[in-house]
Amino acid sequence: QKEVEQNSGPLSVPEGAIASLNCTYSDRGSQSFFWYRQYSGKSPELIMSIYSNGDKEDGRFTAQLNKASQYVSLLIRDSQPSDSATYLCAGYNFNKFYFGSGTKLNVKP
Amino acid sequence: NAGVTQTPKFQVLKTGQSMTLQCAQDMNHNSMYWYRQDPGMGLRLIYYSASEGTTDKGEVPNGYNVSRLNKREFSLRLESAAPSQTSVYFCASSPSIGHAFGSGTRLTVV
Repeated sequence: QKEVEQNSGPLSVPEGAIASLNCTYSDRGSQSFFWYRQYSGKSPELIMSIYSNGDKEDGRFTAQLNKASQYVSLLIRDSQPSDSATYLCAGYNFNKFYFGSGTKLNVKP
Repeated sequence: NAGVTQTPKFQVLKTGQSMTLQCAQDMNHNSMYWYRQDPGMGLRLIYYSASEGTTDKGEVPNGYNVSRLNKREFSLRLESAAPSQTSVYFCASSPSIGHAFGSGTRLTVV
């Protein structure tokens, strides 16, 4: 079992809709969680981090963490075609980052 | 301010050849990492260095060696390349608040 699990997708949403991306993790010792966006052929870029239970908002992005249920989610409001990418979820515990395999998001104009 | 710089960007090796991937960061981060990314597998940790002078194995260390030359530089060496090492390699540096990645090295072993 991988430390961090994500549905590989693709997840298709129309432009302007809310995209909801989810991930679950197995290591209860994980201290913080991150969402990265990766365009095809490019390196991942950090878009959100979350450390405590609840919601964290940054512009059109909201990260949600539920440590009791061991899941992390990312909501993208008013989705744009430029949001089409693979989104990687990662957990952090004692100097190591554990990445999921990513969810491919397609935003259709 | 370059962030994390990786070289080379592309490389083709023959089976059995050796090479070193170079990585340097200018953000004064203590921790540095090497990952490989294969289709459908996500990012898998090869080795990491929590601080200058220390290195530790990650999930897939076999066939690789690393050197943390100083705080800025962390190199990855393939002593005898195998086709199974065909992949995209990413170097990253980090405080605990999330990685900054290099641009990647696309390595093909034939």
